[in-house]
Amino acid sequence: DIVMTQTPLSLSVTPGQPASISCKSSQSLLHSDRKTYLYWYLQKPGQPPQLLIYEVSKRFSGVPDRFSGSGSGTDFTLKISRVEAEDVGVYYCMQTIQLPSYTFGQGTKLEIK
Amino acid sequence: EVQLVESGGGLIQPGGSLRLSCAASGFTFSTYSMNWVRQAPGKGLEWVSYISSSSSTIYYADSVKGRFTISRDNAKNSLYLQMNSLRAEDTAMYYCAREGTTVVDYYGMDVWGQGTTVTVSS
Repeated sequence: DIVMTQTPLSLSVTPGQPASISCKSSQSLLHSDRKTYLYWYLQKPGQPPQLLIYEVSKRFSGVPDRFSGSGSGTDFTLKISRVEAEDVGVYYCMQTIQLPSYTFGQGTKLEIK
Repeated sequence: EVQLVESGGGLIQPGGSLRLSCAASGFTFSTYSMNWVRQAPGKGLEWVSYISSSSSTIYYADSVKGRFTISRDNAKNSLYLQMNSLRAEDTAMYYCAREGTTVVDYYGMDVWGQGTTVTVSS
């Protein structure tokens, strides 16, 4: 199985400041179809996960442009340009290149200072 | 409105069985692959099972293989997870999630239900 490793596991950010989360995969997520199957989710307290970023860097419908994704191969980053109070929760990266086993990162908990 | 609503969770003794359901609405259910994902209390997300739109392709996580069965009824816009030989470690919130795709983009799991709680305990 592909192992997804996120860092840091927690971070505390002052509103208006940037935040960055790293996600590294144990194998390349670049498929022969030239797509890279890396996704970012935010799970707010008491809610199901919500999709933020698909295919490394594409913002899902309705996601604010302060969220951005980048990376390639095995190294990926989610950045929040200016953290807002509503951004608190746990962020997960996920790979879907390898069935029969999709895998998630351990999660990164974002708190507001 | 695109919606997934899970049901069927509850308290069950170890070794018991439970059937989860996921009712879909607001989209053409029969054209989408679906997944079950679970989250143990205070833990991260764990993919459980995948089923293609026509049920022709099915996959399971090793942790549930041979005990869980995923199925769907496209006429009823419903997804199911039959859970047998339940163990304490199966205790979790179970989410159903749609795999969104267009000709150009693959969204991964783009729509999630609110989840149903399964507790395995004597």
